[in-house]
Amino acid sequence: EAGVAQSPRYKIIEKRQSVAFWCNPISGHATLYWYQQILGQGPKLLIQFQNNGVVDDSQLPKDRFSAERLKGVDSTLKIQPAKLEDSAVYLCASSRDRATLNEKLFFGSGTQLSVL
Amino acid sequence: SQQGEEDPQALSIQEGENATMNCSYKTSINNLQWYRQNSGRGLVHLILIRSNEREKHSGRLRVTLDTSKKSSSLLITASRAADTASYFCATDAGGSSNTGKLIFGQGTTLQVKP
Repeated sequence: EAGVAQSPRYKIIEKRQSVAFWCNPISGHATLYWYQQILGQGPKLLIQFQNNGVVDDSQLPKDRFSAERLKGVDSTLKIQPAKLEDSAVYLCASSRDRATLNEKLFFGSGTQLSVL
Repeated sequence: SQQGEEDPQALSIQEGENATMNCSYKTSINNLQWYRQNSGRGLVHLILIRSNEREKHSGRLRVTLDTSKKSSSLLITASRAADTASYFCATDAGGSSNTGKLIFGQGTTLQVKP
């Protein structure tokens, strides 16, 4: 089966600019996650969708980050305006259902963001 | 928030040796998962162990789970240079009302020298 697709692979912007990331999950996967991974750390969950609804966005900085999942399939994550501390790899993952139901996650290759 | 903590942070061994990584977590879980991440890549699922299981095997991987101690270990036997990567444990939040999110620890960086 095709994997999780993410684009772009790399992005360099200046602080206060905006940026958007795109994710296409595995077909049929109901759950979609966006994680932020700062160099040397583990992935931190930003937002989790179940179909096209948000089930957890408790760690999403809502003053600057937004995300949507169109028709329960593709998803975009936006940062506006970006700060230096947003420099990280943004990982998209999907699973057939919630991890609590013993489902494993499939990850994309990530988007490496550098904010200068 | 609930989080897995891996130990050690870094591990360097010779090819052919075994590598053991430990993970501790804070609250009850439905399952614990281990993932591998090669440099510059996304994470790859290795193995999932349910809260009612004590041990699980997959090829050269052996995972144990002790829910009374809230800890797990990942053993890689007969390591190869290709096993060089970062390894993360991840836990869901147990209970029926949780959102099913998966929380990752900080990871163990494994280097296997040829």
